[in-house]
Amino acid sequence: ETGVTQSPTHLIKTRGQQVTLRCSSQSGHNTVSWYQQALGQGPQFIFQYYREEENGRGNFPPRFSGLQFPNYSSELNVNALELDDSALYLCASRTPHAGSGANVLTFGAGSRLTVL
Amino acid sequence: RKEVEQDPGPFNVPEGATVAFNCTYSNSASQSFFWYRQDCRKEPKLLMSVYSSGNEDGRFTAQLNRASQYISLLIRDSKLSDSATYLCVVITSYDKVIFGPGTSLSVIP
Repeated sequence: ETGVTQSPTHLIKTRGQQVTLRCSSQSGHNTVSWYQQALGQGPQFIFQYYREEENGRGNFPPRFSGLQFPNYSSELNVNALELDDSALYLCASRTPHAGSGANVLTFGAGSRLTVL
Repeated sequence: RKEVEQDPGPFNVPEGATVAFNCTYSNSASQSFFWYRQDCRKEPKLLMSVYSSGNEDGRFTAQLNRASQYISLLIRDSKLSDSATYLCVVITSYDKVIFGPGTSLSVIP
C-alpha cells in the first residue's frame, strides 16, 4: 500500500471527449505530480502541484489541466481527447526518503486510458 | 538529444549473472538521481537513490559520476524476480522530474 490511490483504474473514451482522472494521497503530502506513460516508454512529466498551485509543467498542451484540493486529492483533466492520449496516467506524491532525505516519488497504480 | 538516455535493451541474462545498466543525463545542474523498477503493467517503484559516493543495497549497487553526467546500476547474482524495466530518474535544479525511457531486463532460468 503506497498511500496514493487513483481512479478509475481503466477507462475507454472516444476522440473529442473529455476525461477526469483522480488521485488521492496521504495527509501532509503537499506535492503531487502527474505523468503520462505510453506503451514501451518511460513516464513523461505533465505537471506538478504544490499547495493547490501549479508549480511546474512539462511539454503538454493546455488541454491537459489539473487541480489540487485542500484534502490532498487532485485531478487531471484532458479535453478534446486524441488517439495518442491513450496511455497509463500516473499520479505521484513527493515524500522524504528515509535514507537520503531527498524527496522521492511514490506512485499510485495508475489509470489506463484508451481513446478509440 | 534526450534529457535522460538509457541503454536501449532488452537485456536477456541467465540466473546468477551480473548485469549493468547505464544512464546519461544532459542537465549539469541536476540535483537528485534515482533508479526505479517497473513491473509489467504496474506503477514504478523506487529501487534506490544514487549518490556520488556510490551506494549498495544487497545485490544492487548504484553509482553517480557528476563530471561525466553518468549513472549506473549493477545487479549481481540475478534472480528471476529481477525481471522488470529499470528506469533512471533525474530531478533538475528546477525540480523537474525526468524519466529515462527504461531498460528491460529478462532473467532466464
